[in-house]
Amino acid sequence: ENVLTQSPGTLSLSPGERATLSCRASQSVSSSSLAWYQQKPGQAPRLLIYGASSRATGIPDRFSGSGSGTDFTLTISRLEPEDFAVYYCQQYGSSPGTFGQGTKLEIK
Amino acid sequence: QVQLVQSGAEVKKPGASVKVSCKASGYTFTSYGISWVRQAPGQGLEWMGWLSTNNGNTNYAQKLQGRVTMTTDTSTSTAYMELRSLRSDDTAVYYCVRSDSGTYFYWGQGTLLTVSS
Repeated sequence: ENVLTQSPGTLSLSPGERATLSCRASQSVSSSSLAWYQQKPGQAPRLLIYGASSRATGIPDRFSGSGSGTDFTLTISRLEPEDFAVYYCQQYGSSPGTFGQGTKLEIK
Repeated sequence: QVQLVQSGAEVKKPGASVKVSCKASGYTFTSYGISWVRQAPGQGLEWMGWLSTNNGNTNYAQKLQGRVTMTTDTSTSTAYMELRSLRSDDTAVYYCVRSDSGTYFYWGQGTLLTVSS
């Protein structure tokens, strides 16, 4: 299976700063079939990005995704208080679909 | 609007079975597959498998093969996930999700399964 490794495990930043989250796959992700999710405590995950760089409906444009092959990045251009959460990447180009272990974005 | 409503929390003993339901509304049920994802306490997300609501085909995670069965009742737009021979490490929140070509925009509210003697 395609193992996804996210870094860093925890990212401590202040509101207004820029966040850069990384997701590295053990095998090339076909057709850039990579998604990013945000999860807050007690809630189901929310789809942010699919196809590596397409924003899901209703997602603010401060969220952007990039990358291809084995290296992908989620960037939050200017952090808002509500952005502090756990972020997961997911590849859906090959079976089984797999998730990264998550990056916790916490307030500094 | 699209909704996935899951059955309530369950407490089971080791060795027992559980069947979680996921009732869909707001869209044509047979136009999208349903996947199941679980999350152990304080842990990440784990894909369990996928079910075609159109023809009943399934694809299960290898580690759950033989213990999990996913089914569908198209007459009620409901998907089911049954997990057998429960162990303590099956304790988790179980989510059904509508599979949009592999991405998960619509999630159920989650069902907490606690396995404890």
